[in-house]
Amino acid sequence: DQQVKQNSPSLSVQEGRISILNCDYTNSMFDYFLWYKKYPAEGPTFLISISSIKDKNEDGRFTVFLNKSAKHLSLHIVPSQPGDSAVYFCAARSIQGAQKLVFGQGTRLTINP
Amino acid sequence: DSGVTQTPKHLITATGQRVTLRCSPRSGDLSVYWYQQSLDQGLQFLIQYYNGEERAKGNILERFSAQQFPDLHSELNLSSLELGDSALYFCASSVGTGGGETQYFGPGTRLLVL
Repeated sequence: DQQVKQNSPSLSVQEGRISILNCDYTNSMFDYFLWYKKYPAEGPTFLISISSIKDKNEDGRFTVFLNKSAKHLSLHIVPSQPGDSAVYFCAARSIQGAQKLVFGQGTRLTINP
Repeated sequence: DSGVTQTPKHLITATGQRVTLRCSPRSGDLSVYWYQQSLDQGLQFLIQYYNGEERAKGNILERFSAQQFPDLHSELNLSSLELGDSALYFCASSVGTGGGETQYFGPGTRLLVL
């Protein structure tokens, strides 16, 4: 049962343009969402998070949008830079699930010069 | 550098063997989490410890066990290893167990069972 889904395994974007990574979830008990970035041979690095009481959170070039009615969140990166090329994981936490994170499968983002 | 350290980085062993993976959390963090990432899979939560006590359990096999020591480092023990146990094992830590806390991940241990 895949409670967090990232339906695009890969995404290619031109440098300087906007990258939009999408994530869908099924569990209405999720109350906190996070995005992690992962380079090869490294652990996931925290990027940005959003609580279910908000619909947007911004941090520099990164913005996360949450649409609770659609059970959908997205990560916008503007402008995209070559160093943004990595695998991006969406994760969610349930108020009933202690602190465990449920991860999506990841989306490999490639920024082309 | 997240401040979470994991050893060893790589481990190659045979089926039926037992291994121990070690994790040191960030300074000041009391919670430790273990995750498994198999080929083409997202990260799967295994288990969480908080200040030495088991806090939450995920899809952890009975052949696997973990503990957190008084100095807050944690070990994940994998026994009777099978080929399917080959994966990346990540440790993460956070300050406590409160809502909204960020988990910081270590670099992982890559386990290969032959």
